[in-house]
Amino acid sequence: EIVMTQSPAALSVSPGERATLSCRASQSVSSNLAWYQQKPGQAPRLLIYGASTRATGIPARFSGSGSGTEFTLTISSLQSEDFAVYYCHQYDNWPSTFGQGTKVEIK
Amino acid sequence: QVQLQESGPGLVKPSQTLSLTCTVSGVSISSGGYYWSWIRQHPGKGLEWIGDIHNSGKTYQNPPLKSRIIISVDTSKNQFSLKLSSVTSADTAVYYCARVRGYCDTSSCYGFFYSWGQGTLVTVSS
Repeated sequence: EIVMTQSPAALSVSPGERATLSCRASQSVSSNLAWYQQKPGQAPRLLIYGASTRATGIPARFSGSGSGTEFTLTISSLQSEDFAVYYCHQYDNWPSTFGQGTKVEIK
Repeated sequence: QVQLQESGPGLVKPSQTLSLTCTVSGVSISSGGYYWSWIRQHPGKGLEWIGDIHNSGKTYQNPPLKSRIIISVDTSKNQFSLKLSSVTSADTAVYYCARVRGYCDTSSCYGFFYSWGQGTLVTVSS
């Protein structure tokens, strides 16, 4: 199965600053990559699919890029509600697999 | 608005069978372009895909769990269900059901998790 590796494991960012999260696949997943946000005690929420398409209702400050094995989620100006854990997920190869998550913390 | 809600016992004894149901509202479980999935999250850990069911009734299971999983659908109740047998403490987790946007072929499904239930914690303990 494809191994998804996220970096960093944790990221301390001040409100208003930019956050850049990385996700690497052990082999190409084309653009079949999604990002989810999970807040404590809540279910994950779809942010991005197809590597760069924002899901319905997701603010424009969230953007995704990349293809093949290297992907990035950028939050352009962090808001208080954005502090959470972010997971990448490949659905190009079966079985689909998740990264281990990046926790975005308040600096 | 599509909503998913997991239900089932929060405590299961070791060696017994964990049974969960996901009730879907706002859309027919038989609608095209989507299929249905179970995912779990061990306490403080990441996400693990368990298995999928297509509205045709065909199921797909994560290989490490395949021998212990039964996933079924009840279109009359707009529900789908998970049974996980011979549970151990390693099966203690929050279990989520999800609606998946994608497609399935004869052997696999490919899609992303479009909508999620709120999750239900299942603890395996005597």
